[in-house]
Amino acid sequence: QSVSQHNHHVILSEAASLELGCNYSYGGTVNLFWYVQYPGQHLQLLLKYFSGDPLVKGIKGFEAEFIKSKFSFNLRKPSVQWSDTAEYFCAVNEGRDDKIIFGKGTRLHILP
Amino acid sequence: EPEVTQTPSHQVTQMGQEVILRCVPISNHLYFYWYRQILGQKVEFLVSFYNNEISEKSEIFDDQFSVERPDGSNFTLKIRSTKLEDSAMYFCASSEALPGQAYEQYFGPGTRLTVT
Repeated sequence: QSVSQHNHHVILSEAASLELGCNYSYGGTVNLFWYVQYPGQHLQLLLKYFSGDPLVKGIKGFEAEFIKSKFSFNLRKPSVQWSDTAEYFCAVNEGRDDKIIFGKGTRLHILP
Repeated sequence: EPEVTQTPSHQVTQMGQEVILRCVPISNHLYFYWYRQILGQKVEFLVSFYNNEISEKSEIFDDQFSVERPDGSNFTLKIRSTKLEDSAMYFCASSEALPGQAYEQYFGPGTRLTVT
């Protein structure tokens, strides 16, 4: 049971496109999340996938695509803003399990 | 919008001392959780609590840890005899219990525990 985030630290300029990779290792039913932690703030849910359309849209223009065959749930945003500077956590909840398993996080730094 | 709140925001304690971290979950939520994040590491699950008992706990949650819902609003994490390696950010979370359905967890701002 693990969640892997491919990038630990990403630096982009404003208006660049963003894709943060996330893979998980569990073959059963999963619920998938991206959480964001802005500097000095607490974890906030960015978006979630429980079932249905594998392309989910979240707050602030973020979206993520669940690809079951690749065990992936990558986060995307077509044009980032300076205010997107934050740490992003991919997380998985296995079936009806209680706990959420987090990835190590990706620190995103947007240059103005 | 309702929020999970935690107190204190920062707690400094000496090794061997007991600490109690406090959380007020969202009022209509029935599942409560504690997670921790050691500096530079991932957020790790400690324990979940439902219907006044522990629902699930991780291997981190040993006999030094306990949780309690002392009244209708608070949810506490007690560490009986703190160790240096207990230094971390502790997050409380809560969620609605929806039998048979997935649900999201709402996180509090965290308590930074420093053990000296």
